Amino acid sequence: QQQVKQSPQSLIVQKGGISIINCAYENTAFDYFPWYQQFPGKGPALLIAIRPDVSEKKEGRFTISFNKSAKQFSLHIMDSQPGDSATYFCAASSGTGANNLFFGTGTRLTVIP
Amino acid sequence: KAGVTQTPRYLIKTRGQQVTLSCSPISGHRSVSWYQQTPGQGLQFLFEYFSETQRNKGNFPGRFSGRQFSNSRSEMNVSTLELGDSALYLCASSLERLSEQFFGPGTRLTVL
Repeated sequence: QQQVKQSPQSLIVQKGGISIINCAYENTAFDYFPWYQQFPGKGPALLIAIRPDVSEKKEGRFTISFNKSAKQFSLHIMDSQPGDSATYFCAASSGTGANNLFFGTGTRLTVIP
Repeated sequence: KAGVTQTPRYLIKTRGQQVTLSCSPISGHRSVSWYQQTPGQGLQFLFEYFSETQRNKGNFPGRFSGRQFSNSRSEMNVSTLELGDSALYLCASSLERLSEQFFGPGTRLTVL
């Protein structure tokens, strides 16, 4: 059972465009939602994270939007660059004593020059 | 500050063998978690260690085990390897439990 559902599976965006990746969850105990970026042959790198007490968090070109009532969150990459081409994973965890992250299935982003 | 290091980076084993993977967390980090990444199942949590104790375990068979040492370094062991154990094994460290997790580059295990 996939605890975090991620879409789309792959995404192609023109340079300078906006990349949007969506995730949804069911477990209302989740209270930490990070996004990871992974390049081939590398481990996932923490990109940005949000907690449910805010609806949006922005760091540079990366923004997380969070909708608690809909149990959805999304990553927006503004002014997408070829160097952003990677696989992106959303994740969620619960702060009730468990430190394990539940990951989405990943989105392979390709930014065309 | 150095990141999470994992050794070896690549490993080839045959079915039935056992393997031990090593993880050195970021200096000062006390929690270490292990994940398995495969094309079919994605990233799945294996277990978490904190203060040399296993705090949480994912849905994997008992062939998968681990431990943590007093310096927070961790090892995971897989016994009686199966073809399906071929995967990228990732270690993540965090300062404390429930804080941000930082991943190492992983160990690519191939079982023949």
